[in-house]
Amino acid sequence: GQQLNQSPQSMFIQEGEDVSMNCTSSSIFNTWLWYKQEPGEGPVLLIALYKAGELTSNGRLTAQFGITRKDSFLNISASIPSDVGIYFCAGQPTTSGTYKYIFGTGTRLKVLA
Amino acid sequence: KAGVTQTPRYLIKTRGQQVTLSCSPISGHRSVSWYQQTPGQGLQFLFEYFSETQRNKGNFPGRFSGRQFSNSRSEMNVSTLELGDSALYLCASSPRQGAVYGYTFGSGTRLTVV
Repeated sequence: GQQLNQSPQSMFIQEGEDVSMNCTSSSIFNTWLWYKQEPGEGPVLLIALYKAGELTSNGRLTAQFGITRKDSFLNISASIPSDVGIYFCAGQPTTSGTYKYIFGTGTRLKVLA
Repeated sequence: KAGVTQTPRYLIKTRGQQVTLSCSPISGHRSVSWYQQTPGQGLQFLFEYFSETQRNKGNFPGRFSGRQFSNSRSEMNVSTLELGDSALYLCASSPRQGAVYGYTFGSGTRLTVV
């Protein structure tokens, strides 16, 4: 199935560090979403982006809808142990006509206290 | 407000059997989508139901089917199970078709086929 390229695949960081991850596609997207999934649970929506260039924050999280509409970025500032989990981007292609979302492969974040 | 409820949480089935998974969306949400999550393939879209009609379908074989009831609850059925069907099946609900504002996911049903 179609997937977005998400990087990095995984990362270990020290508590207090800032984290950056991104998602890229060859297609143009109408909407970008960022989700976090913890073990044994379903993904939880963190941030939704609807316009090219849009920058949106949710606490220590900031995400941006790329100008080209083919990418998005998520930053986590001053990471804490509970930030551990898998972060997924999801995009809704403009051409799909079907409203289905395509998910990235995920970035697994591990925070070292 | 209750979240998205999926039952059962865990299931073990034998190859060749069939299975039915259930999803109760958030009250007032009329769109229900199903995703399959595996370590190798990530989250793959199965189908979306809205107002009891399948609106979108992913690239899965016909062994995967679903339905939605008038109260928006949805079921997903997989017939003639194969080992490769082992996965976490996630249900997600949204107020409207297309989930423009994103989904709310349930905790999933972990299916193991042996």
